[in-house]
Amino acid sequence: KNQVEQSPQSLIILEGKNCTLQCNYTVSPFSNLRWYKQDTGRGPVSLTIMTFSENTKSNGRYTATLDADTKQSSLHITASQLSDSASYICVVSGPDRGSTLGRLYFGRGTQLTVWP
Amino acid sequence: DTAVSQTPKYLVTQMGNDKSIKCEQNLGHDTMYWYKQDSKKFLKIMFSYNNKELIINETVPNRFSPKSPDKAHLNLHINSLELGDSAVYFCASSQDFFQRGNNEQFFGPGTRLTVL
Repeated sequence: KNQVEQSPQSLIILEGKNCTLQCNYTVSPFSNLRWYKQDTGRGPVSLTIMTFSENTKSNGRYTATLDADTKQSSLHITASQLSDSASYICVVSGPDRGSTLGRLYFGRGTQLTVWP
Repeated sequence: DTAVSQTPKYLVTQMGNDKSIKCEQNLGHDTMYWYKQDSKKFLKIMFSYNNKELIINETVPNRFSPKSPDKAHLNLHINSLELGDSAVYFCASSQDFFQRGNNEQFFGPGTRLTVL
């Protein structure tokens, strides 16, 4: 079982609407949590990075929240635009038995489609 | 100005061949990475590398090897290609290892490898 689970797997919304994507993780201890946006045919682009002490972080119309107690994060997109259509990937940094540095645990992403 | 670039963008080859993918970053970063993204869009880290340390994901076959001629380049060599190697390979870079603090990773555009 993957240690980072994202929901929903896919989502379709109309332009201008808001939406919220979920990320639940079991990685422990946890160093930081990242949200990436990946457009089709391109590499991921970092949206936010949050440590365990941060509850919320914004980047324009994107707002990420983190509840380290329940091990949940959400990414809220406000006033969606057509260009928001992409895959959104949650990534948690945590321990790795093979390395003192730790590793990244990737979710499988939520595919968001914004319709005009 | 392209921060992280990869060549080629597409690579089609036959089983058993040896191939290389090149990556260059002009961000002055010390650390570079290679990722594999399978057909289900699941990202997996393969290598993390700076001029002092190479961290290898234990699941990576030894047919894959990173080669760094200098700090700005990290090439990926693949020997004896197999059908299962077909995927999109992403190069990325960050100032230091992502595990050390909130180092932001910058990804290249990806190389789609198809093994026939």
